[in-house]
Amino acid sequence: QSVLTQPPSLSGAPGQRVAISCTGSSSNIGGSFDVNWYQHLPGTAPRLLIYGNNNRPSGVPDRFSGSKSGTSASLAITGLQAEDEADYYCQSYDSSLSGSVVFGGGTKLTVL
Amino acid sequence: QVQLVESGGGVVQSGRSLRLSCAGSGFTFRSYGMHWVRQAPGKGLEWVAVIWYDGSNKYYADSVKGRFTISKDNSKNTLYLQMNSLRAEDTAVYYCATHYGNYPSGFFDYWGQGTLVTVSS
Repeated sequence: QSVLTQPPSLSGAPGQRVAISCTGSSSNIGGSFDVNWYQHLPGTAPRLLIYGNNNRPSGVPDRFSGSKSGTSASLAITGLQAEDEADYYCQSYDSSLSGSVVFGGGTKLTVL
Repeated sequence: QVQLVESGGGVVQSGRSLRLSCAGSGFTFRSYGMHWVRQAPGKGLEWVAVIWYDGSNKYYADSVKGRFTISKDNSKNTLYLQMNSLRAEDTAVYYCATHYGNYPSGFFDYWGQGTLVTVSS
C-alpha cells in the first residue's frame, strides 16, 4: 500500500486530455512538501516530468502540466500521443516516515 | 551528458550478500546526493536509500534498514549499495538516481537504466 494513492490505470484516445491524480495526507502533500512526477517505460530509466508541483524540465513538452491543491496533486496531459503510453509516478516526502521519500503506486496510461 | 550506469546485479541465494555499483559521469559527482530506488516485478517504484553529497548523512527505507548500506566514493565517481541478508522480496530492478535540491525536498533529476537482482530461495 503506497502512502500516495494513484489510479492503477487510465486510458484516452489520441488528442484527448487525461489527468492522473495523486492523493496524500497532511504528513506529505498536505504538509507543504512539493510533488514531482516521473514517466517510466518498462526497461528504461525513469524520466523526470514535473518538479516542484508545476515546473517542467527542459525538453519536456508543454502538453504535460502539474498542479497541487491541499492533500492532492494532479498531472495533466493534453493532446495525448501514442508515445505517452507509459507508467506515471508521483513522488513527495512524508514527515512520518524514515528517510521521508514516498512514491505513488503508479498509473498505467494506455493510449487507445 | 549525464550518465549513470548500474552494475552488480544477478541471481543470489536467500540470506547471501550482493554489492551494487552506480558509475556516474558527465556531472560533478561529488556535489550530488544520490538515491537507490527499486521496482519489484509487477510493482511500482520503491525508494530504498539516500546519501548526502559528501556521505555525511544516510537514510533508509524501513524494509531494508539494518541489512543494506549505501556509500559513495567521490574519488571514483561511484555509488554503492551493499545488500546483506537478502530476501525473496528484495528481488527487483535497482536504479540509482541523482538528487537535486535540499532534502527533504527536491527531486530525482537523472536516473540509471537499472540492474536486476533476483533472490532465489
